[in-house]
Amino acid sequence: QSVLTQPPSASATPGQRVTISCSGSHSNYVYWYQQFPGAAPKLLIYANSQRPSGVPDRFSGSRSGTSASLAISGLRSEDEAYYHCAGWDDTLNAPVFGGGTKLTVL
Amino acid sequence: QLQLQESGPGLVKPSETLSLTCAVSGVSISGPTSYCDWIRQTPGKGLEWIGTIYPDGTTSYTPSLQRRVTISVDSSNSRYTLRLTSVTAADTAVYYCARHSLSALSGVDFWGRGTLVTVSS
Repeated sequence: QSVLTQPPSASATPGQRVTISCSGSHSNYVYWYQQFPGAAPKLLIYANSQRPSGVPDRFSGSRSGTSASLAISGLRSEDEAYYHCAGWDDTLNAPVFGGGTKLTVL
Repeated sequence: QLQLQESGPGLVKPSETLSLTCAVSGVSISGPTSYCDWIRQTPGKGLEWIGTIYPDGTTSYTPSLQRRVTISVDSSNSRYTLRLTSVTAADTAVYYCARHSLSALSGVDFWGRGTLVTVSS
C-alpha cells in the first residue's frame, strides 16, 4: 500500500484536459513522473510545479495543502502512460510514492 | 550525458542473496549536489524506496528492508551495488538505481532503465 494516494486510472479523449490527483503529502514538494510500459520513470514535474527542460508546457503541476494535481492539456495519444506522484518523508529522509495512475487516451 | 545501467541475475532462488550493480557513466552522481538511490517497483506496491548512499559513503535504508539490505559503492569505477539477503517472492520487482539531485529541488531526477528480478525456485 502506497504512502500517497492516486486514482488507479484516468481517461480522456485527444485534445481534452485531464487532471490526476495525489493526496497525502506532508512534504513541501511534490514530484510527478511519467512511465511507459517497460521503461524507467521520467521526471515530469518537480517542486510542485516546475518543469525540467524538454517537458512540454502542456504538463503542469499544482499543490494545495496535502494534495497535488498533475494537469495535461491538449491531450495526445502519446501521453498514454502511467503517472506517479512522489513526496518526501522527513523521518526517513527519503522519497515516498503514490501507487500510480494509468492514463488512457480514448 | 548521464547513463545509469543496472545489471544482475534475472532469477534468484528463495533464501538466497540478490546482488545488483549500477554502472554510472557520463556524469558523476556522487558529489555535493547529488547521490544515489535504489528504488524498486512491484505490480502490487508500486514504487518503493529501498535505500540511499550519500557522497560520504553513509547509507540509509527503508525500515522494512534494513536488516537485509546493503548498498555500497566502488568509487574507482563508479559502480553502485545493492545486496539483498534472504530473498522471498515478495522481493520480485524491477530494481532501479537513480540520481537524487539536490540542485533546484529536482529530487530523484534521473533513473536507470531498471532490471527485473524474479525470486523463484
